[in-house]
Amino acid sequence: GAGVSQSPSNKVTEKGKDVELRCDPISGHTALYWYRQRLGQGLEFLIYFQGNSAPDKSGLPSDRFSAERTGESVSTLTIQRTQQEDSAVYLCASSPSDWYTDTQYFGPGTRLTVL
Amino acid sequence: AQSVTQPDIHITVSEGASLELRCNYSYGATPYLFWYVQSPGQGLQLLLKYFSGDTLVQGIKGFEAEFKRSQSSFNLRKPSVHWSDAAEYFCAVGAGGGGNKLTFGTGTQLKVEL
Repeated sequence: GAGVSQSPSNKVTEKGKDVELRCDPISGHTALYWYRQRLGQGLEFLIYFQGNSAPDKSGLPSDRFSAERTGESVSTLTIQRTQQEDSAVYLCASSPSDWYTDTQYFGPGTRLTVL
Repeated sequence: AQSVTQPDIHITVSEGASLELRCNYSYGATPYLFWYVQSPGQGLQLLLKYFSGDTLVQGIKGFEAEFKRSQSSFNLRKPSVHWSDAAEYFCAVGAGGGGNKLTFGTGTQLKVEL
């Protein structure tokens, strides 16, 4: 079946512009996670959604970052007034639930470059 | 707070040789441990995971990992490496319970010499 998809695969933007990144999770997966992978570093947790519960935003680095999810479907991560330090690969993952035994399935990522 | 250390940034092995990638974690409670592989242009793929029970865990593609609580380690091993194993490998620890946020190490880049 279809895996997690993300769009765009690459995004180049100018400093100060807003960007939106999209994630389509695997159908039926109630949990959705966003991570950031900076060059030479591991993945950093940003935010996660579980069903209709309030999202856990504890990993968002600043108030310029926000994310939405409609029900158990598509999620968008928005970065306002982008800065050069926002350049990274943004990865989305989904899992059947947010329980620790459930595997997170990752998308291919969106590479964001802020000039 | 939980953390993961992968001390080797790059490792080069010859095809057919054995492989061990190191992972050390810091976590106050029972750790939930994972190894993921990331090939160029691909998303992360789960190799194996440990929650409890037998400390030697078998995964896909011939990989295994051993959980050693006394050493806070979860090293990944493969007896004979194939050229297609060249990729970046990430160790991760999960928070457990509801909301399985993963904390990842910085990764080990594996190069396989033919």
